[in-house]
Amino acid sequence: SAVISQKPSRDICQRGTSLTIQCQVDSQVTMMFWYRQQPGQSLTLIATANQGSEATYESGFVIDKFPISRPNLTFSTLTVSNLSPEDSSIYLCSVKPNHIGYTFGSGTRLTVV
Amino acid sequence: AQKITQTQPGMFVQEKEAVTLDCTYDTSDPSYGLFWYKQPSSGEMIFLIYQGSYDQQNATEGRYSLNFQKARKSANLVISASQLGDSAMYFCAMREEKAAGNKLTFGGGTRVLVKP
Repeated sequence: SAVISQKPSRDICQRGTSLTIQCQVDSQVTMMFWYRQQPGQSLTLIATANQGSEATYESGFVIDKFPISRPNLTFSTLTVSNLSPEDSSIYLCSVKPNHIGYTFGSGTRLTVV
Repeated sequence: AQKITQTQPGMFVQEKEAVTLDCTYDTSDPSYGLFWYKQPSSGEMIFLIYQGSYDQQNATEGRYSLNFQKARKSANLVISASQLGDSAMYFCAMREEKAAGNKLTFGGGTRVLVKP
């Protein structure tokens, strides 16, 4: 099973600024997924990041607000731009290293003040 | 319509007792997978158990078992001999084979609190 290192684990940011979250995987994976978990809520998929192509965004999420980079098969970043208090959430990356399981990063707990 | 429904927002269970967490799903895809994850207060997502739509037997992993009733489209998680460390949020999720991108869809979650 893949191991994911996600950074930062938490941050407090001023509104109007941006936060970039990094995920490093210890093996090559085709797809990486980015999720948002608002307080007390379930996980919602933001986008799927494929190496060598633009990310695929889910309904309600746009590239200008959540730009994603995927420079190689082991790394991806998610930026949350122009922060507002409504962006306070846990952000998680995930990969599917085999035919069964999905592995998640430890999450980034973002608070916007 | 909700693809994954968890009707129990919260549950109390006595230590050492078993608890069943409900999950129903909705799909027209004949090939799909069902997952359960545990999320402690630390926020990490811990994979517990997987059931494929074509699996003939219910999945088991240690104290976790999945009661898969395909005709009823339910995939309930049973935790036996509950421990204090089982206190967490539990999410049911589904992957549909025909869905683009192998993505997971999550239910709303059930918060479990184990009482000593």
